[in-house]
Amino acid sequence: DTGVSQNPRHKITKRGQNVTFRCDPISEHNRLYWYRQTLGQGPEFLTYFQNEAQLEKSRLLSDRFSAERPKGSFSTLEIQRTEQGDSAMYLCAGSLGTIYFGEGSWLTVV
Amino acid sequence: GQQVMQIPQYQHVQEGEDFTTYCNSSTTLSNIQWYKQRPGGHPVFLIQLVKSGEVKKQKRLTFQFGEAKKNSSLHITATQTTDVGTYFCAVVYNQGGKLIFGQGTELSVKP
Repeated sequence: DTGVSQNPRHKITKRGQNVTFRCDPISEHNRLYWYRQTLGQGPEFLTYFQNEAQLEKSRLLSDRFSAERPKGSFSTLEIQRTEQGDSAMYLCAGSLGTIYFGEGSWLTVV
Repeated sequence: GQQVMQIPQYQHVQEGEDFTTYCNSSTTLSNIQWYKQRPGGHPVFLIQLVKSGEVKKQKRLTFQFGEAKKNSSLHITATQTTDVGTYFCAVVYNQGGKLIFGQGTELSVKP
């Protein structure tokens, strides 16, 4: 148990719908990361926060994606107008030095 | 760009055989991390290497960081079926900022 929990674990949505994933790291994790992973590939960096500040955002993150960490604790990742290419596992990780991943949220867009 | 190349992509071994995966960069790295991801699971941190020429061991796993800090390897001695999974190297850029992963090496072990 890494102490990083993600919800929901699985989400099936119709193309065009919006989805939101939540990540709850442990309170000591001042850094929080979002990654996307598809089958057979390594995790791709999306964005990361230092406390509540979003410090970097990947070019992979189109304007349909937005992430927040309002109080420097939990974080949300929202995908608007989902497309089939968004189908992937979305991983959250917390860090205070060592990086700990949550179990991921699987998204299937049909 | 910010990229690490990992080889091989797949490795199939008989239980008891050794296994090695390699990670290479065109630029000097400040550090390198290794992760293991079991099938259907999430990446789990194994180790971080920081010093040139560093060698660290965890039971049957040996991790090395090259002298030039441009490459690294993970070697598993006498593989077991519990070693099955994908092994990723990853590099931290921007003073503890984003972590960039290699493509991973998927290890399968035949009993």
